[in-house]
Amino acid sequence: AAGVIQSPRHLIKEKRETATLKCYPIPRHDTVYWYQQGPGQDPQFLISFYEKMQSDKGSIPDRFSAQQFSDYHSELNMSSLELGDSALYFCASSQKFGQGLEKNTEAFFGQGTRLTVV
Amino acid sequence: GENVEQHPSTLSVQEGDSAVIKCTYSDSASNYFPWYKQELGKGPQLIIDIRSNVGEKKDQRIAVTLNKTAKHFSLHITETQPEDSAVYFCAASRGKAAGNKLTFGGGTRVLVKP
Repeated sequence: AAGVIQSPRHLIKEKRETATLKCYPIPRHDTVYWYQQGPGQDPQFLISFYEKMQSDKGSIPDRFSAQQFSDYHSELNMSSLELGDSALYFCASSQKFGQGLEKNTEAFFGQGTRLTVV
Repeated sequence: GENVEQHPSTLSVQEGDSAVIKCTYSDSASNYFPWYKQELGKGPQLIIDIRSNVGEKKDQRIAVTLNKTAKHFSLHITETQPEDSAVYFCAASRGKAAGNKLTFGGGTRVLVKP
């Protein structure tokens, strides 16, 4: 089965440079989430998009921005990179399903992009 | 916001024994509780989830229980195998209607010794 595709898998940037991470959700998934995971830490929610509109925002720095395009893929743009931005960045996707009061859905994660800022 | 605590942080078990990981959450509006397994260098993999209208769910060697009153949920792995060694994360969410962002616990590193 198709999974969430992230590119690139590894990225090395210097301080103050910019980086763009890409995420291609599972086909027919309408929601994309971005998470940041530092070494030995749990994933921290950054931002999410539903049907190309920002749906929620977490601890995302102002230096970062993201968007979801008409084909549902998403890009995370990171500017003025700092050493502390070095981390694994995961994208997850989900599709609304189910009826009733609890419209929960499963989120599937990609393999991540390892960003190293030097 | 939501706060999820997970215990223990590391767990070493003998192959064939059971492993139990416990999580507590703070937001009474959370209604979806997934568990993820993360192997080194890979993304989190959804292994089981439970919704607030269910108290227990089982899938082969894996089971999850939820106590909404006490705001805690647990993962049980029976007959552990070396391939179960990984980091396990619990998470909580208010559901898709509220954006479905996941708040993760701190993770449990499970080591299954042959």
